[in-house]
Amino acid sequence: DTEVTQTPKHLVMGMTNKKSLKCEQHMGHRAMYWYKQKAKKPPELMFVYSYEKLSINESVPSRFSPECPNSSLLNLHLHALQPEDSALYLCASSQDTGRNYGYTFGSGTRLTVV
Amino acid sequence: RKEVEQDPGPFNVPEGATVAFNCTYSNSASQSFFWYRQDCRKEPKLLMSVYSSGNEDGRFTAQLNRASQYISLLIRDSKLSDSATYLCVVFYSGGGADGLTFGKGTHLIIQP
Repeated sequence: DTEVTQTPKHLVMGMTNKKSLKCEQHMGHRAMYWYKQKAKKPPELMFVYSYEKLSINESVPSRFSPECPNSSLLNLHLHALQPEDSALYLCASSQDTGRNYGYTFGSGTRLTVV
Repeated sequence: RKEVEQDPGPFNVPEGATVAFNCTYSNSASQSFFWYRQDCRKEPKLLMSVYSSGNEDGRFTAQLNRASQYISLLIRDSKLSDSATYLCVVFYSGGGADGLTFGKGTHLIIQP
């Protein structure tokens, strides 16, 4: 079982809906990440949180809003999404944003925007 | 500019064979190197880190050649369960974003 837990596993939402994706880890990792992955493509970084502070935002549209309530939790709030936002959303964590730390990924939320 | 390049495959290999994947990276200042495995519709999972001295984990051997900026993964005695996409991942702390750059992955199919 993965040590990074994401909920829900699947989500279908309309373009006017507001929903949230949740991610939790209890490994004491201080860096957490949101990635977006389309079919047959590698993961694309969206946000990086280091010590509960947003350190990197990769020019993601404002309809995606991250939140880090504490060191174990990471949320991604969704509002007014477009069909092209349909993808697998992966949360990951690492000990720190440093060089030799492998990332642990959650199993992802498969999002469909209709 | 393609920073991490991999042959996308698919590689169709009979069970029990040895298969090798290659990966090249463009940034000579890259610091850390990893192979991840991703099964269809699943998350990437860290397979192994890659060191200049080379490292082995069971049937898997990874090698790094910094001079040629080349990373390899060798799988011996391949099993049906090895079928997956293998992602080459390179880390550079001065790079954009979190420093991780993913290759597009090599798709491996082990045939019975």
